[in-house]
Amino acid sequence: DAMVIQNPRYQVTQFGKPVTLSCSQTLNHNVMYWYQQKSSQAPKLLFHYYDKDFNNEADTPDNFQSRRPNTSFCFLDIRSPGLGDAAMYLCATSRDGQGAEKLFFGSGTQLSVL
Amino acid sequence: GQNIDQPTEMTATEGAIVQINCTYQTSGFNGLFWYQQHAGEAPTFLSYNVLDGLEEKGRFSSFLSRSKGYSYLLLKELQMKDSASYLCAVRDSNYQLIWGAGTKLIIKP
Repeated sequence: DAMVIQNPRYQVTQFGKPVTLSCSQTLNHNVMYWYQQKSSQAPKLLFHYYDKDFNNEADTPDNFQSRRPNTSFCFLDIRSPGLGDAAMYLCATSRDGQGAEKLFFGSGTQLSVL
Repeated sequence: GQNIDQPTEMTATEGAIVQINCTYQTSGFNGLFWYQQHAGEAPTFLSYNVLDGLEEKGRFSSFLSRSKGYSYLLLKELQMKDSASYLCAVRDSNYQLIWGAGTKLIIKP
């Protein structure tokens, strides 16, 4: 089945130790998104790619970086995780991000920072 | 600023009907989505409304009034597995998705 896959499901890192989260998709969608979601809060968009075009949200900290080496894969790098970065990180895709096009989410990566 | 309001938490009884409201103030409107999110899991798509009126899909229905900036999600014949958070999201004039914080629905036997 076509899907969005995130690895790992749970990630534990130490304060200040770089961490990379990965996402892959078999839907061949143009748009890939990274969201941060904390408990009982709305998902917060960090950035998205439309094909190779990178779009960074204005309030996304510089500590967060992303790479999309090809259509299928997207990575989220947290260069120096702080305690406030502990959250669920959600990868999502959309065919073109317009109109009625819904988002397909991966299962998420729950990040803990010790 | 852009804003989406939903009740934080609701409780309902198994087999009953519940209505979850969503009001929005956004820069333009290009559709409204409802997603279901079980605890610790990713959101899954439930419905999409872009025109006024009711969209029915099995036990779930979603209503939209663009003039009032208002939507609701109606869940019928509630089952225990419906215990989850329900998120309302609006696509604005720039096609950005504006998300609500979600309504946690607790189903009691």
